[in-house]
This record gives sequence, C-alpha cells and structure tokens, in this order.
Amino acid sequence: EAQVTQNPRYLITVTGKKLTVTCSQNMNHEYMSWYRQDPGLGLRQIYYSMNVEVTDKGDVPEGYKVSRKEKRNFPLILESPSPNQTSLYFCASSYVSSNSYEQYFGPGTRLTVT
Amino acid sequence: SQQGEEDPQALSIQEGENATMNCSYKTSINNLQWYRQNSGRGLVHLILIRSNEREKHSGRLRVTLDTSKKSSSLLITASRAADTASYFCATDADGYSTLTFGKGTMLLVSP
Repeated sequence: EAQVTQNPRYLITVTGKKLTVTCSQNMNHEYMSWYRQDPGLGLRQIYYSMNVEVTDKGDVPEGYKVSRKEKRNFPLILESPSPNQTSLYFCASSYVSSNSYEQYFGPGTRLTVT
Repeated sequence: SQQGEEDPQALSIQEGENATMNCSYKTSINNLQWYRQNSGRGLVHLILIRSNEREKHSGRLRVTLDTSKKSSSLLITASRAADTASYFCATDADGYSTLTFGKGTMLLVSP
C-alpha cells in the first residue's frame, strides 16, 4: 500500500530535549516536505527536499533541521525544542515535475513541548 | 508565504445541499489543487486543475479556475455528513512541487 508513515504519532517532551520525528515513504518519490499546522495559521512549510542530499528552507525553518540521506526517509530534527514548537506536524511526498503532482501526506505527529 | 486564501472560513449546511468554497491567490500559478482534511488527520488530495483549464469534475466535485481573477471555487454537490472536514486550496507558483496552502474552509454537514 502506498503510504507516508510518521513516528511517533504523539510526543510530549520538555524544553531543550533533542528529538527526531521520522518520516518514510514507499512510493519512490523524489520530493518530500515537512509542514506544521497551527490553529488560524493553516499549513506552513518548514523544510523540503527535491532529492537525496538536496534540502531547502520553507517558510518557517527556524529551530528545525532535516536530512535526506536516503530517498525514502526525511527525518525532522528539533535540536532544542521550545514551547512555541508545540504543533501538529505533517510529512508529505510527491514526484518532482514541472507539471506538479498531488502530495501524499502522513497521518501527522502531535508534539507538545512543556 | 500564504498564497491561497479560502472563503468562507466556515460553512454549515444540511445534508443534500451543495457546498461552495472559494480560493483566491496572489501570483501566477502552474496549477491549483484542493485537499481535504478530516479532523486532526493528514490531508488527502481531491483534485488538480491546471492553469490552462477552466473547469474540472470528479464525482460530486466541481472545480473552476479563473486565472484573470486569480480565483478558484470548489463545489460539492449533494453533500453528505461524511463530507464534514476542512478543505484547503494549494498553489505551486514556482511550477514545481512546492505547494503553498491556504488556511482552509471548515465545512460542517448536518444530517
């Protein structure tokens, strides 16, 4: 089954404790992206990757890191989480094309930083 | 940067009625997509309309695009309670895969 998986689905942590949210897709998509969703603000892009070893900042990259060592995985790293990073996080993937393709979303990770 | 803006922010209708949501955007686009999100879950792609298309249908969905007005509308006909969700438009201004999402329209369909 074609899917994007994220782990963990729920996470409560404390300020400053490094964490990683994993994202994996099985569709051989070149493009992967991380979004955060906050009430009243919609989805905002954090980072994206057009292919292995190619990553770029989105609209709200501060406080986040990513890596793309393999095509299927795109982990999101919070080196020193702060309460303002409490949010619902989504990973998404798609093909890269000048005609563009639909993005497939993971189920989301609800992060609370206390 | 927020590209698409949906209108209305919230819409409440009865089952069987039609629901219309609008999206306006600021810059030229390659295509526009609509997504649905059930409460707290991942977004699901509904339909894509290219900049050279004016109207597209998929089941009970009808999407229109007016590039001169930089706007799109999503019509859901004969709504069902299961259509209750948030609906987002997304544009790809750069012609590649990066999408910019609006803030969404929350649709409530009552039985």
